[in-house]
Formats: sequence, structure tokens, C-alpha cells
Amino acid sequence: SQKIEQNSEALNIQEGKTATLTCNYTNYSPAYLQWYRQDPGRGPVFLLLIRENEKEKRKERLKVTFDTTLKQSLFHITASQPADSATYLCALPNRDDKIIFGKGTRLHILP
Amino acid sequence: NAGVMQNPRHLVRRRGQEARLRCSPMKGHSHVYWYRQLPEEGLKFMVYLQKENIIDESGMPKERFSAEFPKEGPSILRIQQVVRGDSAAYFCASSLYQGREGQPQHFGDGTRLSIL
Repeated sequence: SQKIEQNSEALNIQEGKTATLTCNYTNYSPAYLQWYRQDPGRGPVFLLLIRENEKEKRKERLKVTFDTTLKQSLFHITASQPADSATYLCALPNRDDKIIFGKGTRLHILP
Repeated sequence: NAGVMQNPRHLVRRRGQEARLRCSPMKGHSHVYWYRQLPEEGLKFMVYLQKENIIDESGMPKERFSAEFPKEGPSILRIQQVVRGDSAAYFCASSLYQGREGQPQHFGDGTRLSIL
């Protein structure tokens, strides 16, 4: 079955720099991929969706890419701010359309 | 403009007791999902329901766990005869529709279940 791999180590980025998070999947390419943000003690919040025929998607300071050859999505936050500190989850549909989530990567933006 | 509402936020039970977790989806959403999350672990799918129907319960343990989404009222996740291993955060999510369209899921803030 499909597996999602996100860097389990926390990522520390200096404020103002670009943070880049990686999501790799192991098997077939999904029709789309989603990114969510989760703060401590809260539920995940949907951020962006990118479809398999889209190379790149942007929303304000966020940018997501989708490379079906590499089986990878990159999530970028430009001009990062301490308020961007959170755990970011990658999610995609399994063959039965059920959404599966990665374990997430914790991002710390250092002031 | 309420989002997904879960209650209680925290629930403490002793081993052998029952836990009932409630979830009210976003207004107009008829698809509800329950997930379980352990520290440092990802969200694990448990069950997908539409009004009065269980669509997919492949992630639910076969015993002690049940879920419902009645015509009126919130969705309920019920855990009978709780054990220490049931301690986790349980999240509910809702969506407008289900399918291949990538409809985002809207999550509540979870119920943190602690078993003494």
C-alpha cells in the first residue's frame, strides 16, 4: 500500500528565510496531494491542494510542487515568520480514495 | 460559521469504563471521518460515515469500538471497556463530499482521551 515519508526530524529555519519541507510517497502517483498545518493541541488545518497535472501551486507565501517522476512534493514557506512554526502534514489518497497522512515535519522558525 | 466541534476536549476514564466522543460536523457537511493520533505518530484513519451509514470502518478495531452518525445530532465514537492503549487524541473531520476531487477535510480540535 501507499506509504508517505516526511522528515521526522524538526526543521529549524531562521526568520525571513525560506523553509522547504519534503513529502515522498512510495508507490503509485496519486491524483492529488494535500498539505495541512497542525499546531499543538489543535486539529490539522487544510492549506493547499495540488493535482497530478500541476507542477506548482502558490498561495500567498506558500508554494507547493509535485514531481511525479521523483514521487515527491515540496512545500515552501517564503519570508518565514515565527508564527509559521507548526507541524506540517502531507496527505494523499490511497487507491480506495481514503486519505492517508504522513507523520508530519515540525518546523521551528527562529527569531 | 462554526467549524467542526468536538467534545469533550479532554476525557479521563478508568480501565473498563466506556468513552463517548462527540463530533458535530461543519454546517452542510454530510461526510464525517474519525482519526486517532498518538504522540509522534501520524493520523490513523478509523472510520468514514455519512448520515445514518457507515461507509468504511476498515480502520476500526473489531472489538469495543463503534461509531454512528444519526440523522439528527452529532456523530459518536464509542469505546467500550477502555484499556490503557486507547489513550490517544481522537480527531473528527468533515467534508462537503467525498470522491476523487481532493475535497479538503475540516478538522475539529480533537478529544484527548486518557485512561487511568
